[in-house]
Amino acid sequence: KQEVTQIPAALSVPEGENLVLNCSFTDSAIYNLQWFRQDPGKGLTSLLLIQSSQREQTSGRLNASLDKSSGRSTLYIAASQPGDSATYLCAVRQGGSQGNLIFGKGTKLSVKP
Amino acid sequence: GAGVSQSPRYKVAKRGQDVALRCDPISGHVSLFWYQQALGQGPEFLTYFQNEAQLDKSGLPSDRFFAERPEGSVSTLKIQRTQQEDSAVYLCASSSRGEAKNIQYFGAGTRLSVL
Repeated sequence: KQEVTQIPAALSVPEGENLVLNCSFTDSAIYNLQWFRQDPGKGLTSLLLIQSSQREQTSGRLNASLDKSSGRSTLYIAASQPGDSATYLCAVRQGGSQGNLIFGKGTKLSVKP
Repeated sequence: GAGVSQSPRYKVAKRGQDVALRCDPISGHVSLFWYQQALGQGPEFLTYFQNEAQLDKSGLPSDRFFAERPEGSVSTLKIQRTQQEDSAVYLCASSSRGEAKNIQYFGAGTRLSVL
């Protein structure tokens, strides 16, 4: 059974700092991996999606990497801002293109001004 | 609409009451998923539809949970005889089968509190 773990559970950093969020998964037979952002009382916003054949994806100040063989992904946030404060969720998809997502518990990020 | 819409946003139910949660997916999206998110946890899969067909309901926690999508668009998640452990945020997501990345787009969720 696939299990997704995110470390750390919570992180507090000063504004401007670069940071890394970690995600690990136990079964490397994934279709893709997705990073989401969740603000309090809101739904999930997709940040980056990495197909199983890819190594990384970039969007603005965000960079996500994938090492499928070792079961790891990282989300790198450059020059963090208070507006980045949210919970970041990692999710893997198995079972082909229509498989459901399996989520980690998330990392709660707080960026202090 | 432009995104996935869920209603109601908040629902308070007395234990034993039946509830119905609605999801309007993005127009034209073939796939629809329901997830349950307990406080402090990541979302957990409940059930999946492709058009009107319910292809996977392995995540439904008990036979008190029932989902339908009769016309392949709007979906309803029904919970009968609600229990306190049913308290959670229920998220709906949709995706387009034709989209290469198969990104799932999520609604804001329905927060269910069972007293």
